[in-house]
Amino acid sequence: KAGVTQTPRYLIKTRGQQVTLSCSPISGHRSVSWYQQTPGQGLQFLFEYFSETQRNKGNFPGRFSGRQFSNSRSEMNVSTLELGDSALYLCASSDRAGRGSAFFGQGTRLTVV
Amino acid sequence: QKEVEQDPGPLSVPEGAIVSLNCTYSNSAFQYFMWYRQYSRKGPELLMYTYSSGNKEDGRFTAQVDKSSKYISLFIRDSQPSDSATYLCAMSVPQGAQKLVFGQGTRLTINP
Repeated sequence: KAGVTQTPRYLIKTRGQQVTLSCSPISGHRSVSWYQQTPGQGLQFLFEYFSETQRNKGNFPGRFSGRQFSNSRSEMNVSTLELGDSALYLCASSDRAGRGSAFFGQGTRLTVV
Repeated sequence: QKEVEQDPGPLSVPEGAIVSLNCTYSNSAFQYFMWYRQYSRKGPELLMYTYSSGNKEDGRFTAQVDKSSKYISLFIRDSQPSDSATYLCAMSVPQGAQKLVFGQGTRLTINP
């Protein structure tokens, strides 16, 4: 079974631009969550989608948004990029609504210059 | 104060040693507890998953949850150089099971 796939792996953007990251969950998994990982703050929850609906949201500004498609693939978008948005963005999928085990992809390394 | 506290280390032990990694938490509503291993430039890999209190063993790894003390542990027996990585504890509440709250991670090095 293929794991969680995130594209692209690396991205360099300029301040003020916007970016879209993509995540394909493990086949059969319907829950997709997004996390931001930085050296200072560690891993922080962004949001979770289940059956195309956002089910939970973390404490991030509205510049961070996401969506999920009918095939469970998910995208997250960051508008008006700031230098502080430089981070590893991780996607996790789960096959059990209401359970905690989640499987992570390799992440997208975003650098904002 | 963070909801989940984890000693960032670094922790360095000789090959074959027993390693103990720990996290404390403040939210008594946490019911799901996980340990992840993360190698440099990789995504976190799920090692252990425990629901509520108790112990769980998988090969050289044992996870313990003590909800009365709000304390979880991961033990690694017969540690190997390949175990060198950052270990992250994570937990969540039933109403938001996929909203994982992570510790800062402990960087572990096993010396041959």
